[in-house]
Amino acid sequence: EVQLVESGGGLVQPGRSLKLSCAASGFTFSNYGMHWIRQAPTKGLEWVASISPSGGSTYYRDSVKGRFTISRDNAKSTLYLQMDSLRSEDTATYYCATGRSAPFDYWGQGVMVTVSS
Amino acid sequence: DIQMTQSPSVLSASVGDRVTLNCKASQNINKYLNWYQQKLGEAPKLLIYNTNNLQTGIPSRFSGSGSGTDYTLTISSLQPEDVATYFCFQHNSWPLTFGSGTKLEIK
Repeated sequence: EVQLVESGGGLVQPGRSLKLSCAASGFTFSNYGMHWIRQAPTKGLEWVASISPSGGSTYYRDSVKGRFTISRDNAKSTLYLQMDSLRSEDTATYYCATGRSAPFDYWGQGVMVTVSS
Repeated sequence: DIQMTQSPSVLSASVGDRVTLNCKASQNINKYLNWYQQKLGEAPKLLIYNTNNLQTGIPSRFSGSGSGTDYTLTISSLQPEDVATYFCFQHNSWPLTFGSGTKLEIK
């Protein structure tokens, strides 16, 4: 059974950093692209970043480019999102997702990040 | 960036009704369009991928169609458990983008 479990969220002050993790199981992690998607409270969904299976290619939305870094450790079947220079508008539930049998078919349950002083 | 516009933003219908949700892209997305259902407090669930492919385990009352810039999600007979917000999502080109959602309610 495919499982994606996010961790590392919490309350952080503006300008500080936070690192999210997504532990994957139930599939061959190193074969699949991975993604972070977020949802601000009572708002819609917003794609944040993606990474290729090898980690050699990464993609970001403009609003996080230069502040967020997506990475992966295929030996540990874990996806990461390093978030620096956090802003109040980064407050959201962050989901990791993958496309195993269909594009973007599996999602984790999400982890909450609150940026506030 | 490709803008995804969903309509209506809120839809109220009766159990058993045929329901149609719309999604319009600002440019051709070559059928790389997914539909998700999100219930309150839950992660989004994939219903339809690449316009018209029913995800495993999803009831056959859900179907998708479209091409170019215009896409549709149809529920053939609305059930009480279908109350949720539905999002369309284009994965044709970066940055990937979602529609703002259609909230589906039961009359």
